[in-house]
Order: sequence, then C-alpha cells, then structure tokens
Amino acid sequence: AQSVTQPDIHITVSEGASLELRCNYSYGATPYLFWYVQSPGQGLQLLLKYFSGDTLVQGIKGFEAEFKRSQSSFNLRKPSVHWSDAAEYFCAVASLSQAGTALIFGKGTTLSVSS
Amino acid sequence: GAGVSQSPSNKVTEKGKDVELRCDPISGHTALYWYRQRLGQGLEFLIYFQGNSAPDKSGLPSDRFSAERTGESVSTLTIQRTQQEDSAVYLCASSLLGLITGELFFGEGSRLTVL
Repeated sequence: AQSVTQPDIHITVSEGASLELRCNYSYGATPYLFWYVQSPGQGLQLLLKYFSGDTLVQGIKGFEAEFKRSQSSFNLRKPSVHWSDAAEYFCAVASLSQAGTALIFGKGTTLSVSS
Repeated sequence: GAGVSQSPSNKVTEKGKDVELRCDPISGHTALYWYRQRLGQGLEFLIYFQGNSAPDKSGLPSDRFSAERTGESVSTLTIQRTQQEDSAVYLCASSLLGLITGELFFGEGSRLTVL
C-alpha cells in the first residue's frame, strides 16, 4: 500500500537559515508527489507538486523540492526561512490504484521559526 | 463560492449521538474529498466523489460513517452513534477535474468533539 513517512515531527529553524523537511514515500509506480502547508487557522495550501519531468520542482513562497527515485524521497527546501513560514507541512503521494484517486498524507512536520 | 466552505466549524456532541458535517465545494469542481485529521496525526483519507461516478469509500473507518453528494454540489458526511475516537477535524477538499489535473482546495475543517 502507498505510504508517506515524514521522519521529523517538529523542527525549529532560525529566521534566515535554510530549511529541509524530509519526506519518504512507498509506491510501486511513478509517484505523483505533493507538499502542502497548513498555517494556524487556515486550510491546507498546495506548495508544489511533482508529476514528471524535471526532478527539481519550484513552488510558491520560495519553496522547492527534489524528487529522488533512488532514495524514494521528495524533500522540501527553502534557502532562507521567514517567521511567516511557521506552520505544519504535509507531504503526500497520489494513490492511483483505487477506483478514483486520493492523496495519502504523511503525519506532518511542524516548523517553528526562532528569531 | 470563493472557496470550500464547511459547516459547522465546531461541533460538540455526546457519545452515541449522530452528527452531520456539510461541505460546499468550489463551484464547478467535479471532485470532492473528505479527510479526517486527528490530533498529532496526518490526514486520513475517508471518501472521494468524482462527478457522477460511484464514490471511492475505501477510507471510511466503519459503517457508522457515510457520505452523500448531490450531483457536483454539496456533500454531507454523517457519523452515526459517535464515539470518542471520532473526535477530530474533518476536512473537505474539492478539485476541478480530479487530483491529477488540479490541486486540491481545502476548507478550514469541522472540528468534532465527542464527549
């Protein structure tokens, strides 16, 4: 069965420092991968997605992610974190084997930003 | 509407009662998803509607859970004989043509507390 693992439950980064959030997936075929962000009191928002092609994907708010098939990873990165980036981040893989399609989410990583 | 609307935003109920949660998707979105987010957990897929096709109910945790959708409009998630473990935030999302061709737009959720 498809699954997503986010090894880090909580990460604290200093404002202006770089960020990398880890995501590993388990999926037999070529995965469709996503990163979503959930800010306090707000709904989930798509940061970026990977379907095919260039393995380095650019997203909104200065985020990027790199798909590495050999490592079954899709880590999220940002070169310089802003205080407003404090939120919960979810990695997800599309499940295509069911009658329809759905996103399978990891348990999330909470990002805190210190000044 | 401008976004996915869910109601109620908060619901407190007693164990054994039935509850109904409503989702009003973005107008024109053919795909609609329900997810459950329990404290400290990721998003758990519940059910998926795509147009007039039979819904994908594979994520519903028990027969106490059911959902309906009228055409491509409002959906209702019903939980019968609620249990304390049903306490969670129930998130609805919609998409224009399904997951692969578009991103999911999430509502802010309905927080259910079962006493």
